[in-house]
Amino acid sequence: IAGITQAPTSQILAAGRRMTLRCTQDMRHNAMYWYRQDLGLGLRLIHYSNTAGTTGKGEVPDGYSVSRANTDDFPLTLASAVPSQTSVYFCASSGQGDTGELFFGEGSRLTVL
Amino acid sequence: GQNIDQPTEMTATEGAIVQINCTYQTSGFNGLFWYQQHAGEAPTFLSYNVLDGLEEKGRFSSFLSRSKGYSYLLLKELQMKDSASYLCAVRDSNYQLIWGAGTKLIIKP
Repeated sequence: IAGITQAPTSQILAAGRRMTLRCTQDMRHNAMYWYRQDLGLGLRLIHYSNTAGTTGKGEVPDGYSVSRANTDDFPLTLASAVPSQTSVYFCASSGQGDTGELFFGEGSRLTVL
Repeated sequence: GQNIDQPTEMTATEGAIVQINCTYQTSGFNGLFWYQQHAGEAPTFLSYNVLDGLEEKGRFSSFLSRSKGYSYLLLKELQMKDSASYLCAVRDSNYQLIWGAGTKLIIKP
């Protein structure tokens, strides 16, 4: 089934630990994104990648890093997790269609204690 | 700064019509999107407007006025499954999406 797969779906993490959220898409989309979603706030862009080999910073990049070694994979790493990074994280991709709408993964719920 | 405003919550009755408004102030405009997000799930694409006017897609319609920085999503013949959050997003001059906080729509029987 075509789409975006995120892992893990849920994780509880101790503060200070390193964590990588995985994201894989099989739609051959060039652009990929990582968002966080917090109650009462809109989706906030963390990092993005317009094509394999390139990445860019979004609105809230501090404490996060990404890599884009190939078209399909776009992992998000928290080097040293802090409680303020407790959130739901969504990976998304977009193609070159008329609208360029985003396709989202199912989300990763992360709790940092 | 850039800003998207939409009501936090709305309530409507099954079978009725509801209009969810979205106003925006952004650096440039390259299209406006509406997404639906059921609780605990990912957002899914509903509609896209780049020119002024109404776009109709089944029970859902979306309207855009670029001069007023205004859009609305119209849902007709409401069903219980329409209970969800509706997210408005604008693509700015840098082709980045600016998101509203979403409108939680509660449908009552």
